[in-house]
Amino acid sequence: GAVVSQHPSWVICKSGTSVKIECRSLDFQATTMFWYRQFPKQSLMLMATSNEGSKATYEQGVEKDKFLINHASLTLSTLTVTSAHPEDSSFYICSARDPAASYNEQFFGPGTRLTVL
Amino acid sequence: KQEVTQIPAALSVPEGENLVLNCSFTDSAIYNLQWFRQDPGKGLTSLLLIQSSQREQTSGRLNASLDKSSGRSTLYIAASQPGDSATYLCAVQKAAGNKLTFGGGTRVLVKP
Repeated sequence: GAVVSQHPSWVICKSGTSVKIECRSLDFQATTMFWYRQFPKQSLMLMATSNEGSKATYEQGVEKDKFLINHASLTLSTLTVTSAHPEDSSFYICSARDPAASYNEQFFGPGTRLTVL
Repeated sequence: KQEVTQIPAALSVPEGENLVLNCSFTDSAIYNLQWFRQDPGKGLTSLLLIQSSQREQTSGRLNASLDKSSGRSTLYIAASQPGDSATYLCAVQKAAGNKLTFGGGTRVLVKP
């Protein structure tokens, strides 16, 4: 099946700094990628939908100026957490839609654990 | 707004017993439903995907059924093994290419 990677797999940063997380589709071109956040013992909540070459669509309650999303190519989307605070500590997972896959299936990355001190 | 609920939230069974995990959704107008497995601190592994026109899907010891009209899906895992211990998530998609709406998950522990 299609493979999606994320980098880094984990990151620790100081409060007030910015962190960039990359999501790559390794063997297919993804016109659409999704960014999810998962707090401990909770389910995944969609943060935003990233479309190649256009602005991301954010879910209600997600600050677009704090969570910057860039989808500059068909294989790469980035999420930048700006001025991170401890409450931003979470597990961030991306998924990519493969238009060539059956039923436009989405494939998930392994996730990035962000810890803000 | 679509809401997805999974019951029970946690389940503990002895090895060899069959597992039954339930998923319900409020809006029956779905494109597909997917079951995932998540190990602690890891990403998602897709287990089964059921199209809205399908009633069930099977893969090895796993069988998932879908009753779209009643807004329900059930994941059956036969002859459970300790390696089946994980969190199982169901998710529905309203239309092709749309976002997935996830349930809260069921944490499964299979005791040897």
